[in-house]
Amino acid sequence: AQTIHQWPVAEIKAVGSPLSLGCTIKGKSSPNLYWYWQATGGTLQQLFYSITVGQVESVVQLNLSASRPKDDQFILSTEKLLLSHSGFYLCAWRAWGQTYEQYFGPGTRLTVL
Amino acid sequence: GDSVTQTEGQVTVSESKSLIINCTYSATSIGYPNLFWYVRYPGEGLQLLLKVITAGQKGSSRGFEATYNKEATSFHLQKASVQESDSAVYYCALASSGSWQLIFGSGTQLTVMP
Repeated sequence: AQTIHQWPVAEIKAVGSPLSLGCTIKGKSSPNLYWYWQATGGTLQQLFYSITVGQVESVVQLNLSASRPKDDQFILSTEKLLLSHSGFYLCAWRAWGQTYEQYFGPGTRLTVL
Repeated sequence: GDSVTQTEGQVTVSESKSLIINCTYSATSIGYPNLFWYVRYPGEGLQLLLKVITAGQKGSSRGFEATYNKEATSFHLQKASVQESDSAVYYCALASSGSWQLIFGSGTQLTVMP
């Protein structure tokens, strides 16, 4: 069975500080990977997707970047956090092929002060 | 672009009563989109509840049903008799054919009163 792990569970950071959030998928080779963001009271927005190692496409510009250093790992980062980065970050995977459903990790709660 | 609309932000229903959560969509891509309902129970992650990929078909799971109505561009979620354990946030979502994106509605917080 596939498992998806996100770290950290929660983070409190200062404005202007760097950030790195991680996501690991186990039990699925070559998945499509996604990062989502949800502001408090807002809707889920897809930020990035990756179909293979080393390739990442941006969907929404939020002064964030993403990387896929390994087949099972997806990293979200920024060098300088903004207050507007606060929210809930979700990682998701999708099987390669014609199925479109995505499966989500438990998420990371980020508070920027 | 594609969009999903959930008109009710919060719904409160008494236990054993029926439920309908409305979802309408707009898809500009060629072909019919795939439609989904996701659910987030308190303290848990976002889970796929049900999906329908063919217009006119019905998806079902855990007593919930949703029918893909392409004429009305709707995918309402229904349950005949809700339980307190159904209290959660429900999201309608759409994936257009050939797209990498999953477009979500704004979510509906369901509270079931005992």
